[in-house]
Amino acid sequence: QKEVEQDPGPLSVPEGAIVSLNCTYSNSAFQYFMWYRQYSRKGPELLMYTYSSGNKEDGRFTAQVDKSSKYISLFIRDSQPSDSATYLCATTSNDYKLSFGAGTTVTVRA
Amino acid sequence: EAEVAQSPRYKITEKSQAVAFWCDPISGHATLYWYRQILGQGPELLVQFQDESVVDDSQLPKDRFSAERLKGVDSTLKIQPAELGDSAMYLCASSLRGTLQETQYFGPGTRLLVL
Repeated sequence: QKEVEQDPGPLSVPEGAIVSLNCTYSNSAFQYFMWYRQYSRKGPELLMYTYSSGNKEDGRFTAQVDKSSKYISLFIRDSQPSDSATYLCATTSNDYKLSFGAGTTVTVRA
Repeated sequence: EAEVAQSPRYKITEKSQAVAFWCDPISGHATLYWYRQILGQGPELLVQFQDESVVDDSQLPKDRFSAERLKGVDSTLKIQPAELGDSAMYLCASSLRGTLQETQYFGPGTRLLVL
């Protein structure tokens, strides 16, 4: 079993819709949670970084962590065609080694 | 804006051949990472350097893969001999000191196809 499970999708939504992405993890030692965005033929770029349970908001993006259920979410409000990419969740414990989910491919239709 | 540079961007090789990938991290970044990303999966760490020293190569298939960062700046990842299962994207990333709250900045990757 992988340490981080992520539904690969693909997910296709109309412009303006809310995109909801989710991951689950198995290791209780994971304390730091990240979302990366990866455009086609590019490397991943950090989108959101959270520590501890709760919500973190940055513009149209909201990251949510529920440590009790080991569940990580990313919400994109008012989605735009430029949001079309693969979104990767990642997490780490104190050893700094990132464990990534498989990524969810999102297409926002104009 | 400073970026991580990688070359080549694409590489096609035949199995049993040797291949090498190069990475130039963001200037001043002490920590350098090599990841392998198989199509449809997330990146997996192969090796981590702190300056010129390897701090983690537990997932590096050492019978065929080698990595070096001789002067603590740029780095080379080599595969010899390449196998069909090595087809993947090889990503290089760097961070300032490798601490928990630092961002890892990824390069564009080298896409390897082994025939």
